[in-house]
Amino acid sequence: GAVVSQHPSRVICKSGTSVKIECRSLDFQATTMFWYRQFPKQSLMLMATSNEGSKATYEQGVEKDKFLINHASLTLSTLTVTSAHPEDSSFYICSARTGEYTGELFFGEGSRLTVL
Amino acid sequence: QKEVEQNSGPLSVPEGAIASLNCTYSDRGSQSFFWYRQYSGKSPELIMFIYSNGDKEDGRFTAQLNKASQYVSLLIRDSQPSDSATYLCAVSTGFQKLVFGTGTRLLVSP
Repeated sequence: GAVVSQHPSRVICKSGTSVKIECRSLDFQATTMFWYRQFPKQSLMLMATSNEGSKATYEQGVEKDKFLINHASLTLSTLTVTSAHPEDSSFYICSARTGEYTGELFFGEGSRLTVL
Repeated sequence: QKEVEQNSGPLSVPEGAIASLNCTYSDRGSQSFFWYRQYSGKSPELIMFIYSNGDKEDGRFTAQLNKASQYVSLLIRDSQPSDSATYLCAVSTGFQKLVFGTGTRLLVSP
């Protein structure tokens, strides 16, 4: 099946620094990718929808200036957590759909961010 | 009211038994329904999806959808210890984003 790859899988950073997480669709083109965040023992919360070649659509309550999303190509979307703080520590997961309007939603392996 | 509700569990069943996982949703316009399995520290993996009222079977798994009652369930027959995980119900009103429930933790004891 289709594969979505995330990198890095784990990252530890100091408070105030920025961290970039990459999400790649390895064997299909994804015009739309989704970024989720999951806190311990909680469900996945959609942060934003990343659209190739245009601005991301952020969910209510998600700071677009803090969580920068870039979808520069049909196979790559990046999430940058700017000026990270301990409360940003979470499991970040991207997903992509094989078809523009249909198709299974595949998830990346997730990236665990720990901000000290 | 949460958009997608699940009992957090844990639901404990013995090996070989049937595990029944339930999910309710609030948006009557919901069109697509998904069950994902998530092991601790891992990302979700799709088990089944269902669009129409009724049952859909795939191996040991059966998804059931009742749109009138806004209810979707997942049955796991012949449960195995390897089925122990958190099961996430997800609902979509269209073709884009999914809304996830908080998940039900399933424990299958040998």
